[in-house]
Amino acid sequence: NAGVMQNPRHLVRRRGQEARLRCSPMKGHSHVYWYRQLPEEGLKFMVYLQKENIIDESGMPKERFSAEFPKEGPSILRIQQVVRGDSAAYFCASSPTLGQLEKLFFGSGTQLSVL
Amino acid sequence: AQKVTQAQTEISVVEKEDVTLDCVYETRDTTYYLFWYKQPPSGELVFLIRRNSFDEQNEISGRYSWNFQKSTSSFNFTITASQVVDSAVYFCALSEARGSGNTGKLIFGQGTTLQVKP
Repeated sequence: NAGVMQNPRHLVRRRGQEARLRCSPMKGHSHVYWYRQLPEEGLKFMVYLQKENIIDESGMPKERFSAEFPKEGPSILRIQQVVRGDSAAYFCASSPTLGQLEKLFFGSGTQLSVL
Repeated sequence: AQKVTQAQTEISVVEKEDVTLDCVYETRDTTYYLFWYKQPPSGELVFLIRRNSFDEQNEISGRYSWNFQKSTSSFNFTITASQVVDSAVYFCALSEARGSGNTGKLIFGQGTTLQVKP
């Protein structure tokens, strides 16, 4: 059973470009969480999604950031017009149902570098 | 507000020494979970342990042990006979509870960088 898959592993963008980060949850998991790790810091919650629904986006910046988890396909974290401050590691986690934290698994992360 | 504090930013030990990583948390919830994760230099997050707030029993797994003290809101992590492969950043995390159940949203500490020298 494959774990949480994130791609790309490394993404380089120039200022002003768009970044699209993908997360395929574990098989049977319908809950996805995105976290951001800025350099030298711990992980910060961004958004929690179920299939086709955003449940909690309290950690998402108000502008340029969006997330989706369509009925088919991976969850996408999209950052428009990237700036240097967006450089960070972005982690995705999934769980099968709400509250099953013993089954919360993280992906290996996407390292975004903005030049 | 919920908060996790890992006061030790960096720890350096020599191989075979024991080392304890501290974690103090704040929450008003009566039901919550505490976690430890390891982040090796390769960057991925490795799950180590999850502890329910109702279970104060200490746990041992090989060279790893965890001491949960609800009275002092601490969940410390000890590595016995440390090895070079233990070198990593270690994160303590607290689950956020909302309404009738936990949401899966974790509050992370700043992390402790452990360096084990040969």
